[in-house]
Amino acid sequence: KAGVTQTPRYLIKTRGQQVTLSCSPISGHRSVSWYQQTPGQGLQFLFEYFSETQRNKGNFPGRFSGRQFSNSRSEMNVSTLELGDSALYLCASSAMGGTEAFFGQGTRLTVV
Amino acid sequence: AQRVTQPEKLLSVFKGAPVELKCNYSYSGSPELFWYVQYSRQRLQLLLRHISRESIKGFTADLNKGETSFHLKKPFAQEEDSAMYYCALGNRDDKIIFGKGTRLHILP
Repeated sequence: KAGVTQTPRYLIKTRGQQVTLSCSPISGHRSVSWYQQTPGQGLQFLFEYFSETQRNKGNFPGRFSGRQFSNSRSEMNVSTLELGDSALYLCASSAMGGTEAFFGQGTRLTVV
Repeated sequence: AQRVTQPEKLLSVFKGAPVELKCNYSYSGSPELFWYVQYSRQRLQLLLRHISRESIKGFTADLNKGETSFHLKKPFAQEEDSAMYYCALGNRDDKIIFGKGTRLHILP
């Protein structure tokens, strides 16, 4: 079974721009979650999608949004980028929402 | 509210010494507890889950509902155990919440 795939692996953007990150879950997994990982804050939950619906949302500003497609692939969008958005963004898929999560390699976003 | 607390950001242990990574949680229902590990340059992966009651790479974790804890233990640390460890809490049909992580550094 192919693992969770995230693209791109690395991104460099300037402040004010927007960015879209992509995640392909493990085949058959319907839940996709996004996390922001930083050295100071650890793993912070962004949102979770299940069958194209956002079921859970973390405490991030509205600049952070996402969606899930009918094939369970998910995208995350960050608009009006700020320097503080620089982080590793991880996607995880699971069969159900709160069960074992399988992580992708992440997308390293650097905002300059 | 769901919360996972890992009180130690960094834990340094000599090789061969016992390891205990602390994790406390708050949750009103019946949670599933996990430990995830991230080795250098590798993706975050599941180490063990409380319902499995198994030992992985010599690590065990017991769920103590009275103390709301799920500490990770290993009797004899090995150098390859150096990694970032995250305690996590989840429930079916819900999100998984992670603690801030503990970096385990095994000293030679």
